[in-house]
Amino acid sequence: SQQGEEDPQALSIQEGENATMNCSYKTSINNLQWYRQNSGRGLVHLILIRSNEREKHSGRLRVTLDTSKKSSSLLITASRAADTASYFCAPTHSGNTPLVFGKGTRLSVIA
Amino acid sequence: SQTIHQWPATLVQPVGSPLSLECTVEGTSNPNLYWYRQAAGRGLQLLFYSVGIGQISSEVPQNLSASRPQDRQFILSSKKLLLSDSGFYLCAWSVADTIYFGEGSWLTVV
Repeated sequence: SQQGEEDPQALSIQEGENATMNCSYKTSINNLQWYRQNSGRGLVHLILIRSNEREKHSGRLRVTLDTSKKSSSLLITASRAADTASYFCAPTHSGNTPLVFGKGTRLSVIA
Repeated sequence: SQTIHQWPATLVQPVGSPLSLECTVEGTSNPNLYWYRQAAGRGLQLLFYSVGIGQISSEVPQNLSASRPQDRQFILSSKKLLLSDSGFYLCAWSVADTIYFGEGSWLTVV
């Protein structure tokens, strides 16, 4: 399987705290993407990091990529109740291979 | 801008009945199209993807089928639903690496 595996499966934090989610994958990638899914909705693209990048920021999101360890992390700073959702990573491989997703990390931000 | 429409949003079907879920994309040409399924408490499972009209790749053998009669239309079908077909079905499209999802269809087979 070429999907990423997110860790932890579930994470519960207080509003204002930072949330860190990790992703591991097995084969070489062109890039890696993170998506968010609110309950009962479709997935929404958050950020893409290319294989030659080590870190990328978008608002309160910070993504890191370590290709030597085949891992990525997503950090959400100063979390809000609205960040409550499931988060998925999706490694992208060469060619026209479709994205496959793991089970995600369920983040609960408690107000 | 590009939009994706998926319908119906919710349906309840008896076992053995047929299924048709439809998805259309606007504002782009020759997209890759996808059907995913998400069962309760589980991750997303890729069911079908298509890189062009009439070109369908199936990832999981099952009693579902997909068709792409037009460039921006993707249809998920079944002749006879099983209880295990219940779940949340998501249509999606991509042109480059990023995938854009529809709002999903909740299917309950009773």
